[in-house]
Amino acid sequence: QSALAQPASVSGSPGQSITISCTGTSSDIGRYDYVSWYQQHPGKAPKLMIYNVSNRPSGVSDRFSGSKSGNTASLTISGLQAEDEGDYYCSSYSTSSTLLFGGGTKLTVL
Amino acid sequence: EVQLVESGGGLVKPGGSLTLSCAASGFTSTNVWMSWVRQAPGKGLEWIGRIKSKTDGGTTDYAAPVKGRFIISRDDSKNMVYLQMKSLKIEDTAVYYCTTEGYIYGYHAFAMWGQGTMVTVSS
Repeated sequence: QSALAQPASVSGSPGQSITISCTGTSSDIGRYDYVSWYQQHPGKAPKLMIYNVSNRPSGVSDRFSGSKSGNTASLTISGLQAEDEGDYYCSSYSTSSTLLFGGGTKLTVL
Repeated sequence: EVQLVESGGGLVKPGGSLTLSCAASGFTSTNVWMSWVRQAPGKGLEWIGRIKSKTDGGTTDYAAPVKGRFIISRDDSKNMVYLQMKSLKIEDTAVYYCTTEGYIYGYHAFAMWGQGTMVTVSS
């Protein structure tokens, strides 16, 4: 199975909002509400930011939000801050009981 | 402190074998599904497999690139999870992370991660 499709990079200025898309198929994102988003800083382990499409773990800022429409999920970060810079990955449960990750999106805060 | 700690990484020749360990502490991993995720240098995340809790059957699932070569097991008495890797290929070179799947937050979400252990496959 192919990885989920994400844009390679996005950028925004402090205070702005950005959205990262994650496109799958009817066998993964389109079929299950088990989409998660992860933030990763260089040399660090990933951190869970969104689970079950739109839920935030305790301690994650409400500037992060998630949604899904059809085969595409989205992560929106509002009020962009310098600390948001990093790599973002989506993941989805898929048929055959497997998990898929997106290729990752590098977020640059200008 | 709740944490996962991987160990066992290193340099191995193509065709060789290696076993990684993941020690869970600060929580009881008995009822938790555990997954392994890897990241090749400069590349993205790749899920490679999971082992379900004993209460959910203790069965395993694997991604296609490692199926038949990698085996995940667990020893709940020691709060340990293992990844046995055989017939290693150069493309298996990566940082390997141990992670909880569906623990605390949702189904199939990876809430807790170890620091990772590097596996280098090279002649």
